[in-house]
Amino acid sequence: DSGVTQTPKHLITATGQRVTLRCSPRSGDLSVYWYQQSLDQGLQFLIQYYNGEERAKGNILERFSAQQFPDLHSELNLSSLELGDSALYFCASSFERGQSGNTIYFGEGSWLTVV
Amino acid sequence: GQQLNQSPQSMFIQEGEDVSMNCTSSSIFNTWLWYKQDPGEGPVLLIALYKAGELTSNGRLTAQFGITRKDSFLNISASIPSDVGIYFCAGLNNAGNMLTFGGGTRLMVKP
Repeated sequence: DSGVTQTPKHLITATGQRVTLRCSPRSGDLSVYWYQQSLDQGLQFLIQYYNGEERAKGNILERFSAQQFPDLHSELNLSSLELGDSALYFCASSFERGQSGNTIYFGEGSWLTVV
Repeated sequence: GQQLNQSPQSMFIQEGEDVSMNCTSSSIFNTWLWYKQDPGEGPVLLIALYKAGELTSNGRLTAQFGITRKDSFLNISASIPSDVGIYFCAGLNNAGNMLTFGGGTRLMVKP
């Protein structure tokens, strides 16, 4: 158990709908990362938050947004869903010990299926 | 963006054999992380490397942070069937806020 908790584990929804994925980082971790993994694909970085503020942005679509709340949990919002958005969405967290000593742990992911 | 080249893409080996995989980058990283992912599950951290030249072991796994800070390798000795899965390298940039993944090495072990 990595200590990173993601909900829901599985989600099936229709095209055009909107969903919210939730992540609770490991206790004490200030950074949250979101990744997307399509079938048989690698992990694509979406966005990172550090202590409530957006820190880095990857290949995140405009239909997607995220935020990190004061209690450090994070939500990834996916709207106007398309079939191609079906994927595993991972959250990861780290404490960020400056430029060295960082270790990033992943949750078990949220399976999103768009039908 | 930054790219990590991981090789080989897949390996099919006999139980008991040793395995070696590596990652190279055009950019320097401050940290190299190696993960294993089973189907439908999240990546599990195997080894973290923080200094150039560092050699770290975790049981039958050994990984090294290249001297140039642009590469890393992972060795698995005496493979067993439960080693099956996809192994990913990942490099963390200087700012510590961007983790870039390699394409993965799919390992299959024949009993």
